[in-house]
Amino acid sequence: QKEVEQDPGPLSVPEGAIVSLNCTYSNSAFQYFMWYRQYSRKGPELLMYTYSSGNKEDGRFTAQVDKSSKYISLFIRDSQPSDSATYLCAMEGWAGTASKLTFGTGTRLQVTL
Amino acid sequence: EPEVTQTPSHQVTQMGQEVILRCVPISNHLYFYWYRQILGQKVEFLVSFYNNEISEKSEIFDDQFSVERPDGSNFTLKIRSTKLEDSAMYFCASSEDGTGGWDEQFFGPGTRLTVL
Repeated sequence: QKEVEQDPGPLSVPEGAIVSLNCTYSNSAFQYFMWYRQYSRKGPELLMYTYSSGNKEDGRFTAQVDKSSKYISLFIRDSQPSDSATYLCAMEGWAGTASKLTFGTGTRLQVTL
Repeated sequence: EPEVTQTPSHQVTQMGQEVILRCVPISNHLYFYWYRQILGQKVEFLVSFYNNEISEKSEIFDDQFSVERPDGSNFTLKIRSTKLEDSAMYFCASSEDGTGGWDEQFFGPGTRLTVL
């Protein structure tokens, strides 16, 4: 079983739609859960992070973590063409003196006019 | 805004050659990382580095790989004898304090390595 699973998409939605992106994971040791956005041939850029179960909102973005189900989600409201990118979930496993990130494969999102 | 920079943006090399990928982390950061992303696949952790030592390395980071902080600003990844399967995007990242708790890792734009 993969540590982190994410549907690669692609996911195509019309402008203004609500987007739901999801990841599942198997490692109970993960403590922090992140969503990164990656544009083509660029480095990942942090969107949001959450710790423990619950919701966290930042503008049009809401991150949700359900540790009992080992399931995390990112919701994007009122999606815009500029949201078109690959969205990576990432999880932090404690590695001693430095924290390594474990990524999902990424979901490619296309928001159309 | 401070950012992680990487050079070159694209490196083409012949199989068996040595390559050095360079990164300049954010200046007050103490923890440095290399990740790679093979085309169409996920971003994978390679190695973390702190206080001039490797903190952790993945199974991918075998004897062909090495990291170094040769001066106060650069952080390098060396691949001694490149293989075709080393072709990937290599990302450098840095964080202020990697000792647990929340600590954002900032990623550079990546170096695309093509091994022919």
